[in-house]
Amino acid sequence: EPEVTQTPSHQVTQMGQEVILRCVPISNHLYFYWYRQILGQKVEFLVSFYNNEISEKSEIFDDQFSVERPDGSNFTLKIRSTKLEDSAMYFCASRGDRTSYEQYFGPGTRLTVT
Amino acid sequence: AQSVTQLDSQVPVFEEAPVELRCNYSSSVSVYLFWYVQYPNQGLQLLLKYLSGSTLVKGINGFEAEFNKSQTSFHLRKPSVHISDTAEYFCAVSVTDKLIFGTGTRLQVFP
Repeated sequence: EPEVTQTPSHQVTQMGQEVILRCVPISNHLYFYWYRQILGQKVEFLVSFYNNEISEKSEIFDDQFSVERPDGSNFTLKIRSTKLEDSAMYFCASRGDRTSYEQYFGPGTRLTVT
Repeated sequence: AQSVTQLDSQVPVFEEAPVELRCNYSSSVSVYLFWYVQYPNQGLQLLLKYLSGSTLVKGINGFEAEFNKSQTSFHLRKPSVHISDTAEYFCAVSVTDKLIFGTGTRLQVFP
């Protein structure tokens, strides 16, 4: 069964450093998303991406964040200058097409900023 | 604005007992509703979804949920739980393109 994959599973970085979280969505899916879950809190939407551009973003997704689909398979989330409060589990998700509404999630990347 | 409320942060239950996890949503427009499960140290797995049609939807692992428009609820049920059902359960609503999640309910099944 096809699945969303994410790398790395755990990333430790120092405050102020740049990090790139990587995701490989399900093949042939057209819509891509990033969510995050701070420890003990609910899952929060960050950004959605379709047709090589951002379709919607939350207030959390400020200028420090960016997304990219550099090739036909990867979908990345970059945080330019990490803060302590960026520590969270980051989930990538993908959705098939306009008529399928369910999003399929990857296993997540745990980001720890020290 | 749309929101999702999961009234119970934790639900303890004995194995083979029935369980109901409550979810209420608020939205001024039609929504699509989902339940996801998160096992320890894992990602989110789709349990079931309501898009339209029959208000009783069946999902994986013996779970089902009933959409009640008048009460704006989408409660999750299972007639007999197993130890392996111990996990965090998230109700979510999709209005535009994003999912809005509730705060989650931790289901703890005891032997």
